[in-house]
Amino acid sequence: AQSVSQHNHHVILSEAASLELGCNYSYGGTVNLFWYVQYPGQHLQLLLKYFSGDPLVKGIKGFEAEFIKSKFSFNLRKPSVQWSDTAEYFCAVNQGTGTASKLTFGTGTRLQVTL
Amino acid sequence: KAGVTQTPRYLIKTRGQQVTLSCSPISGHRSVSWYQQTPGQGLQFLFEYFSETQRNKGNFPGRFSGRQFSNSRSEMNVSTLELGDSALYLCASSLGRGAYEQYFGPGTRLTVT
Repeated sequence: AQSVSQHNHHVILSEAASLELGCNYSYGGTVNLFWYVQYPGQHLQLLLKYFSGDPLVKGIKGFEAEFIKSKFSFNLRKPSVQWSDTAEYFCAVNQGTGTASKLTFGTGTRLQVTL
Repeated sequence: KAGVTQTPRYLIKTRGQQVTLSCSPISGHRSVSWYQQTPGQGLQFLFEYFSETQRNKGNFPGRFSGRQFSNSRSEMNVSTLELGDSALYLCASSLGRGAYEQYFGPGTRLTVT
């Protein structure tokens, strides 16, 4: 069965620090990859997605992620975090076929940005 | 364009009862998926509906069921509620199946006492 691992459960950073959150998945076939963010009291929002093409994808609010197929990874990065980035971040994967929309989520990483 | 809406937002039920949750997808979206979010298990896929047919089902007991209507609106039903069913139930919609991003609603917080 497909699985997604997020190794960092809780990350604390100071404002302006750089961020990298790890995400690894187990499925060996074609995949679609996503990062979602859940701000306190708000619903899940899509940060960025990868379907095909350039493995470096840019999303909203200055976030980017790199798909490394050989490492089954899709790590999220931001060069300089802001206090408003405090949230929970979820990596998600679905099989890259036209017949599957089941998202498998990682356990999430809680990011706390201090002033 | 309005986002995914879910009703009700909060619900308190007692064990043994049943509950129906509703989801209205973004206009034009034909695929609706349901997820359960709990502190212990995280986000888990329940099922997906497309063109009024269940296309995919997660690893949940048969007490969890759903349906989709011709206007793409969807409902999920949980019968014989158990304490462990307390969770945030999320609905997500997408234009189609597979290589499409899913947009999530605010969820229905179900508490079973």
